[in-house]
Amino acid sequence: DAGVTQSPTHLIKTRGQHVTLRCSPISGHKSVSWYQQVLGQGPQFIFQYYEKEERGRGNFPDRFSARQFPNYSSELNVNALLLGDSALYLCASSLGDGAYGYTFGSGTRLTVV
Amino acid sequence: GQQVMQIPQYQHVQEGEDFTTYCNSSTTLSNIQWYKQRPGGHPVFLIQLVKSGEVKKQKRLTFQFGEAKKNSSLHITATQTTDVGTYFCAGTDKFYFGSGTKLNVKP
Repeated sequence: DAGVTQSPTHLIKTRGQHVTLRCSPISGHKSVSWYQQVLGQGPQFIFQYYEKEERGRGNFPDRFSARQFPNYSSELNVNALLLGDSALYLCASSLGDGAYGYTFGSGTRLTVV
Repeated sequence: GQQVMQIPQYQHVQEGEDFTTYCNSSTTLSNIQWYKQRPGGHPVFLIQLVKSGEVKKQKRLTFQFGEAKKNSSLHITATQTTDVGTYFCAGTDKFYFGSGTKLNVKP
C-alpha cells in the first residue's frame, strides 16, 4: 500500500502568486489534515477534513483554503503568497478520529521569493 | 486556545545515557500522541495515550500521561544514535503539536 503522497515535493513561487498543494491519503483513510512546519518549529495545524467536510481550522488567514474530494484526496490553496509562507507543508491522513495516529506524507517544500 | 509546550528544546546526550522530554498543556487533553521526526523527514507516529496516569512502553521508550491529563513525558533508556531526531507531543483535541525536543546522541 502506498503511504500518504504529496505533490509537488518542491515549489518556488513569487510573492503575490497563489499555490495549490495536493495530497492523496492512505487508501481507506477518510480524514486529511494539513500542517505548516517552519524550520526548527513544530507543525502548525491548518485544516482538518473528514468525509469532505471541514472539521477544524487553525489560526491561519483566509488566504489559506482547502477542500477534500469524493476520493478523499485533498488540496490546500494559498493565495497572495507572502515570504513568510515559505515552509514545509505536511499532509496527514488517518482512520476516522486518528486514534491509531496520523500518517504523514513527506511534505511539499514551498519557497516564496 | 490550547497550547502545548515542550521542554527541553534541545538535548545532547552521550550514547548510552537516558533522555526525557516533557510536554505540558494549558488545558486538559482527551488524549495525547507522540511523534518522532528524523532530520529532513516527516513526523512518524509513535503512540497514543488516553487514560489518566497511563504508562506505555515500546522497547527502550516509556510514555506517561499525567493524572490530570495535562502533561506527558517520553523517556528513552540507554539512547542510541538511531534515536536522533525531534520528538513532538500533540494534543488531539485540536491537534496542536508541541514545539518539540531535538535530541542529539553522540557516539
